[in-house]
Amino acid sequence: AQRVTQPEKLLSVFKGAPVELKCNYSYSGSPELFWYVQYSRQRLQLLLRHISRESIKGFTADLNKGETSFHLKKPFAQEEDSAMYYCALQSGGSYIPTFGRGTSLIVHP
Amino acid sequence: GAVVSQHPSWVICKSGTSVKIECRSLDFQATTMFWYRQFPKQSLMLMATSNEGSKATYEQGVEKDKFLINHASLTLSTLTVTSAHPEDSSFYICSARARADNEQFFGPGTRLTVL
Repeated sequence: AQRVTQPEKLLSVFKGAPVELKCNYSYSGSPELFWYVQYSRQRLQLLLRHISRESIKGFTADLNKGETSFHLKKPFAQEEDSAMYYCALQSGGSYIPTFGRGTSLIVHP
Repeated sequence: GAVVSQHPSWVICKSGTSVKIECRSLDFQATTMFWYRQFPKQSLMLMATSNEGSKATYEQGVEKDKFLINHASLTLSTLTVTSAHPEDSSFYICSARARADNEQFFGPGTRLTVL
């Protein structure tokens, strides 16, 4: 069975501080991992996916198969980064998604 | 980018009645649509996966006779909450995916309140 763990329910930082939102997964095959973000009063939207290897809004995430992690990082947090972040895994023949419980990021001025 | 709409955005109904929620992919064909339930300050709970032209696959613990899902076309899926009760009050979110290896595009959600 596949599982996604986001250990932090809440992460609170000050503007300009580095941010790391943790995501660990368990899956025996080759996973496809995503980070979705939900800003206040907005719908969930894709932030980034590991196969694209992009940096979106200053965020990056590297898939570490040895540690089964896909942590989301940003060197300097901005107030507009405050949102709910969900790590998701999608794999297997049916590509059924599994979401972590989400981490609420609050960036203080 | 791809857009997914949901209708209605909110609904209030009496206990015992049925409510239908529509999910549409506006500018792409969705081979798969997902229905989620989101509780306050909690994660998304996948309820079912809906593939066009076939029966929905329900997650464990989700009553298929209570939450009827129809995916009649590549752009429309509906969720009908039958004989709704107050405990069914929640935020229901759909998402759509064009291909199995694509990301999901989410609808804005529907707030259901059962009195």
